[in-house]
Amino acid sequence: AQSVTQLDSHVSVSEGTPVLLRCNYSSSYSPSLFWYVQHPNKGLQLLLKYTSAATLVKGINGFEAEFKKSETSFHLTKPSAHMSDAAEYFCVVSDRYNQGGKLIFGQGTELSVKP
Amino acid sequence: NAGVTQTPKFRVLKTGQSMTLLCAQDMNHEYMYWYRQDPGMGLRLIHYSVGEGTTAKGEVPDGYNVSRLKKQNFLLGLESAAPSQTSVYFCAATHWWSGTEAFFGQGTRLTVV
Repeated sequence: AQSVTQLDSHVSVSEGTPVLLRCNYSSSYSPSLFWYVQHPNKGLQLLLKYTSAATLVKGINGFEAEFKKSETSFHLTKPSAHMSDAAEYFCVVSDRYNQGGKLIFGQGTELSVKP
Repeated sequence: NAGVTQTPKFRVLKTGQSMTLLCAQDMNHEYMYWYRQDPGMGLRLIHYSVGEGTTAKGEVPDGYNVSRLKKQNFLLGLESAAPSQTSVYFCAATHWWSGTEAFFGQGTRLTVV
């Protein structure tokens, strides 16, 4: 069965420093992978997605993620954190051909950005 | 273009009461999902549907029922609400192809007292 593990429940960085949010997945087939962001008391917004094309994916607001099949990872990075990046981030896996339509979320990583 | 709309946005129920949450999408997407979000647990899949007239159980289906009589609507029902069902509920819709992003509603904050 497919699953997603976000390795850190909370990450704290200073403004202007790099961000790394880690995600490992388990899937029996070639999955699609997504990162979503949720600001406090808001809905979910797509940051980026991987769909078996380029392994380095660029998203909105300067975020990017690299799909590494050998490591079953899809870590999210940003070179320089901004105060507005403070939010909760979710890694999501979709493997509809083998899993009948399920869209599975990781537990989330809360990102804090210090001035 | 409204996307995905959830009704209601807030609700307080007494233990044992019933209610239905409505999710409506105007994107003609085949797949629809209901999740609950609790602190530290991410979004957990309750039920989902891959097309009109079909539903399937997710990770945490107990205490909930769903129906998809029309392609654009996905209803989540609580027959006898319990305090453990206090949560924020999100609906999502997406295309059948696995590479398509899911579009989410704004959420329903449910409190069971």
